[in-house]
Amino acid sequence: DIQMTQSPSSLSASVGDRVTITCRASQSISSYLNWYQQKPGKAPKLLIYAASSLESGVPARFSGSGSGTHFALTISSLQPGDFATYYCQQSYRTAQYTFGQGTKLEIK
Amino acid sequence: EVQLMESGGGLVQPGGSLRLSCAASGFTFNTYSMHWVRQAPGKGLEWVSYITSRSSPMYYADSVKGRFTVSRDNAKNSLYLQMNSLRDEDTAVYYCARDPINNYGFHRFDYWGQGALVTVSS
Repeated sequence: DIQMTQSPSSLSASVGDRVTITCRASQSISSYLNWYQQKPGKAPKLLIYAASSLESGVPARFSGSGSGTHFALTISSLQPGDFATYYCQQSYRTAQYTFGQGTKLEIK
Repeated sequence: EVQLMESGGGLVQPGGSLRLSCAASGFTFNTYSMHWVRQAPGKGLEWVSYITSRSSPMYYADSVKGRFTVSRDNAKNSLYLQMNSLRDEDTAVYYCARDPINNYGFHRFDYWGQGALVTVSS
C-alpha cells in the first residue's frame, strides 16, 4: 500500500503568514495528489487536485506543487477562516485512496 | 446546488448490521462515481469504498472487505453502504462523496455529505 506522510502534524501561525505543509508518498504517485481542508464538525472540502489544480471556488492564496513523491500545499497569506486541519490524499492506485494523517493549523 | 445527505447512522452492537443511505441532488447522479469515507472520533480520514456510475466495478478498503457492500440506485439518486459484522473499530462518521472521474484520471472527492455517525458498542 502507498503510505502518505504529512509534516508537520501541527503548526501555529498568524494571520497574514505564508504557510507550507508538505506531503510525502512512499512511492511515486506522479501528480495523483489532492489536498482537503476540514474544519471541526464539518465535512472535508477539496482545495487542490492533480497536485496543482485549484478547485473551482477556492481562493487563489491556496496553491499546490510537486510530483513523484514530494508535494506541498502553500497558503500565501493566512486568513482567519484558514485555521483548520489539512489532509493530502493520493489517487494513484484505484481502491487505495490513502490520506495523510493530517496537519492541524492553529492560530499563534 | 449539489447536495449529499447521509442517513441511517446509529448505535449498533458488535456483530450487528446497519445500512447507510446517501441521497443526492443537484447533479446528474448516474454520471458520477461515488465513494464512502469514514473518520473515527478524533482521527484522520479513511477511504472505505468506491462504486462507478454504472455500479461496476466496486472497490473496498482491506479493513472492510467481505463485511461491507456498496450499491446504488440511479433511479432514486441514492447511494448505499450495507455494513455487516460490525466491530468496535468501525465506529466513525461516515461520509459519502462525489467523484467526477469514472475511469482513468485524477480521482478526487469534490462534494461531501455532512456525515452519519455509526457507533459500534455493547
